[in-house]
Amino acid sequence: LAKTTQPISMDSYEGQEVNITCSHNNIATNDYITWYQQFPSQGPRFIIQGYKTKVTNEVASLFIPADRKSSTLSLPRVSLSDTAVYYCLVGGGLTGGFKTIFGAGTRLFVKA
Amino acid sequence: DADVTQTPRNRITKTGKRIMLECSQTKGHDRMYWYRQDPGLGLRLIYYSFDVKDINKGEISDGYSVSRQAQAKFSLSLESAIPNQTALYFCATSPVTGELFFGEGSRLTVL
Repeated sequence: LAKTTQPISMDSYEGQEVNITCSHNNIATNDYITWYQQFPSQGPRFIIQGYKTKVTNEVASLFIPADRKSSTLSLPRVSLSDTAVYYCLVGGGLTGGFKTIFGAGTRLFVKA
Repeated sequence: DADVTQTPRNRITKTGKRIMLECSQTKGHDRMYWYRQDPGLGLRLIYYSFDVKDINKGEISDGYSVSRQAQAKFSLSLESAIPNQTALYFCATSPVTGELFFGEGSRLTVL
């Protein structure tokens, strides 16, 4: 099962772009890369999912290099409400879902 | 209304008691999951089900059991609760593409 490594914590200021990088050296061919956001005492919320190259939605972008051994979640112009824990997961797809393992995540703290 | 609903949201019980946490979903997903989260840690998978007739153990299934009563319902039971099962429990669903949609959580305290 592919494990992920991400920074334990990050600080930023309102209005800045935040990039959180996750490494997943043993990602499998069928694995997708998915990012979640979690606020205290709430369930994680799906942010974005990708397989390769770049994916963008209304809240974030996900950059995946050709070797797929890492990925970067980009949050444009963060606000105080983006303070949360962000999880990078590898797995899912047609053969997964159950293979997704949550690590400790990255605690993002956005300051005024 | 929430797409994934968990009941109860909070429960305090005593060691040795049987506890059931229930989950229902309106997303129409076949796949459902139960996770546990301890303070400051990530989520750990307890059980998962890919359809009504499919039940699979996750990484920490000891001390837990599940029942998939229907496509929309997946319950988690603690047959004899112990204090180290005090945690926040999350139910989740997913489509075949694997992205997880979580409920609001059930906080369980075992005294």
